[in-house]
Amino acid sequence: NAGVTQTPKFRILKIGQSMTLQCTQDMNHNYMYWYRQDPGMGLKLIYYSVGAGITDKGEVPNGYNVSRSTTEDFPLRLELAAPSQTSVYFCASSYGQPRVNTEAFFGQGTRLTVV
Amino acid sequence: GQNIDQPTEMTATEGAIVQINCTYQTSGFNGLFWYQQHAGEAPTFLSYNVLDGLEEKGRFSSFLSRSKGYSYLLLKELQMKDSASYLCAVRGPPNAGKSTFGDGTTLTVKP
Repeated sequence: NAGVTQTPKFRILKIGQSMTLQCTQDMNHNYMYWYRQDPGMGLKLIYYSVGAGITDKGEVPNGYNVSRSTTEDFPLRLELAAPSQTSVYFCASSYGQPRVNTEAFFGQGTRLTVV
Repeated sequence: GQNIDQPTEMTATEGAIVQINCTYQTSGFNGLFWYQQHAGEAPTFLSYNVLDGLEEKGRFSSFLSRSKGYSYLLLKELQMKDSASYLCAVRGPPNAGKSTFGDGTTLTVKP
């Protein structure tokens, strides 16, 4: 069982370039999330999705876009990369039932550097 | 919105007990999670509390007081491999599904 798979693991971008971070999960989770983690900090929510065709902004959405055409996939698009987007990006998924232990399962992360 | 506070760093000795506190302010509460994150790795789930009280799972226990907006993670019989960052996360209003994370507490276990 693969869980949550992110690609790529590492990437260096030049300022102004664009890229898509891929995320797929095979647990049939309805909720999926994108977080970024800056050094020594916690996770900041970029975007999340409660199901196919539905996405919503998190705490730090500027400079990013997402789509959720299937239950399994939740790609994150960076347009016009900036040095402030240098970070580690984590994709995660969970069930979305309230008052139930709906732990999030995380991908292994993408370490992105913008130069 | 939600605001979560944890100590930045803690140090403890192998074999000892350590308590990591988390306080939160939230406009809607639907559970509190603790995650462990080793350096360079993804977070992994440790515990979940939605009702007041203590949840015990082996060497790890987690406590919640909703009226005080307070939780702690208790690690017993510390081992060197417990050196990691511990993240407190609060899940928001029902059906929102998303959680807000604290900045994490970096625990260093010394021999």
